[in-house]
Amino acid sequence: QQQVKQSPQSLIVQKGGISIINCAYENTAFDYFPWYQQFPGKGPALLIAIRPDVSEKKEGRFTISFNKSAKQFSLHIMDSQPGDSATYFCAASREGDNDMRFGAGTRLTVKP
Amino acid sequence: DAGVTQSPTHLIKTRGQQVTLRCSPKSGHDTVSWYQQALGQGPQFIFQYYEEEERQRGNFPDRFSGHQFPNYSSELNVNALLLGDSALYLCASSFTTGTNTIYFGEGSWLTVV
Repeated sequence: QQQVKQSPQSLIVQKGGISIINCAYENTAFDYFPWYQQFPGKGPALLIAIRPDVSEKKEGRFTISFNKSAKQFSLHIMDSQPGDSATYFCAASREGDNDMRFGAGTRLTVKP
Repeated sequence: DAGVTQSPTHLIKTRGQQVTLRCSPKSGHDTVSWYQQALGQGPQFIFQYYEEEERQRGNFPDRFSGHQFPNYSSELNVNALLLGDSALYLCASSFTTGTNTIYFGEGSWLTVV
């Protein structure tokens, strides 16, 4: 079932550092790639998303880099803060398909 | 602006029992999707409801069923509960079917004992 592979499983970063989470997908029909942030006991919250017509999208400290030929995309968190400590999920879907496929998640810990 | 609301937040059921979970979509949204998130895993699509009909279904058995009401709220029903059904059940809403931008509620934690 899994069509999106996410790495690493866990990540520890010092405050102020850059956090990088990677995802790879299999289905070339996917055309929407969001990232979700989930805090313990909460539902996933949409963080940022990209479509394959652009190679990068930046919103504040969060940047998605997209490599269509490699079928990979990544989330970069600049100036990581302890409040960013959460589990991050990448996902992929295609227009008209309501079944969004999620990666297994990356638990990010930002140390003060 | 109310987000996606779900109830109950936590519940414990016994194997073989039935459970009903409820969801109200975000204001202005008419489409509801349900996801199952096992501990340590990403969410998995169960099904989606739009215009009171099931529009698409993921790889889940018929024990999982749902309903959407005229006010767009939705229910997820699971019959003959198994221990493996223990998970966080997430409701997500969107502006319309086929739209990728979905917003999740905080989920209902189901424990089957």
